[in-house]
Amino acid sequence: AQTVTQSQPEMSVQEAETVTLSCTYDTSENNYYLFWYKQPPSRQMILVIRQEAYKQQNATENRFSVNFQKAAKSFSLKISDSQLGDTAMYFCALGQGGNEKLTFGTGTRLTIIP
Amino acid sequence: SAVISQKPSRDICQRGTSLTIQCQVDSQVTMMFWYRQQPGQSLTLIATANQGSEATYESGFVIDKFPISRPNLTFSTLTVSNMSPEDSSIYLCSVAPGRLVGHEQYFGPGTRLTVT
Repeated sequence: AQTVTQSQPEMSVQEAETVTLSCTYDTSENNYYLFWYKQPPSRQMILVIRQEAYKQQNATENRFSVNFQKAAKSFSLKISDSQLGDTAMYFCALGQGGNEKLTFGTGTRLTIIP
Repeated sequence: SAVISQKPSRDICQRGTSLTIQCQVDSQVTMMFWYRQQPGQSLTLIATANQGSEATYESGFVIDKFPISRPNLTFSTLTVSNMSPEDSSIYLCSVAPGRLVGHEQYFGPGTRLTVT
């Protein structure tokens, strides 16, 4: 069975600062994918960034980057130059290679303080 | 990506009734899924909606309670049957365009259901 753990229920940071959200996972698969999703108060789930497990290079998308440590089964999200619009719930998710199912963590509520 | 709409966006229903939620995608997609997000909780997969065949349900979810239809590659419905207050949740549909795009899923805006 796959599991995803997010150990930080809530975080807050000042606008323009950098924040890192933690995620650990467990899977017996060799072929898998990792994702960070953002759910703002509007509740629309938005894909922030994805990482293929077979790639060593960490994914980046503008102000968002990940630190993927495969041996440690760790997948943290770094948000640089945080903006008020980054306020949201952030979910880490794990997808298996053989099908499209996603397993989600419990989420981290991030608040950006003006 | 894909543009996904859901109807209704929210509803308040009485105990014992049923509600059907619609999910429409702007392009043909391989996989469609239904999730439940209970208040303050994470997302739990209910089932995979299979085009032209019965849905595949996850442990703890059954067809009699959550019948699903998928008549074509752009549309699916989820019915929440014989509702109780415990069914109060946000129900989200998602789509995966296909394995070639790396397994990410795109989500609809959700349907907020309150059962009284």
